[in-house]
Amino acid sequence: GAVVSQHPSRVICKSGTSVKIECRSLDFQATTMFWYRQFPKKSLMLMATSNEGSKATYEQGVEKDKFLINHASLTLSTLTVTSAHPEDSSFYICSAPTSTNEQFFGPGTRLTVL
Amino acid sequence: AQSVAQPEDQVNVAEGNPLTVKCTYSVSGNPYLFWYVQYPNRGLQFLLKYITGDNLVKGSYGFEAEFNKSQTSFHLKKPSALVSDSALYFCAVRRPFSGGYNKLIFGAGTRLAVHP
Repeated sequence: GAVVSQHPSRVICKSGTSVKIECRSLDFQATTMFWYRQFPKKSLMLMATSNEGSKATYEQGVEKDKFLINHASLTLSTLTVTSAHPEDSSFYICSAPTSTNEQFFGPGTRLTVL
Repeated sequence: AQSVAQPEDQVNVAEGNPLTVKCTYSVSGNPYLFWYVQYPNRGLQFLLKYITGDNLVKGSYGFEAEFNKSQTSFHLKKPSALVSDSALYFCAVRRPFSGGYNKLIFGAGTRLAVHP
């Protein structure tokens, strides 16, 4: 199947700093990517839909100025957590659909804000 | 509103026994249904999907799922559980023909624990 990568896999940062997470589709192009947040022992919460060449679409209750999304190319979307705080600590997962509309997920990024 | 329910937080099974992880859905029209598995600190891996056709769908690692339209269920099954099957399992639904790349709606997840 198709491969989606995320970088970094794990990041620890100080409160108040910003963290960028990359999501790449390695062997296919994705005009759309999805960003999810997963709390411990909980389901995935869709945060936003990343659209190549245009603004991301955020789900209700997700602060767009807090979670900046950029989809600059057909294989790369980035999520930047700005002015991170401990409550932003979570597992962030991206996914990308192929041309047949089948979604493939990245391995996730564990963010810990001290 | 579309929703997916996984009524069990955890399912415990002895190795070698059959397993079932339950999923029911609520969505208008004929849905596309999916099962994903997640190992600790990893992303989701696709197991199987139902779009149309035979109600019994076979997927990866010996898993299968049965679509039951009258009961709006899509339970995941495996005839003989392995300890390595222990993981978090998610059922998901996507409404077809909505245009563009559709969002997946996930259930809360069910933790499967297979004991030796």
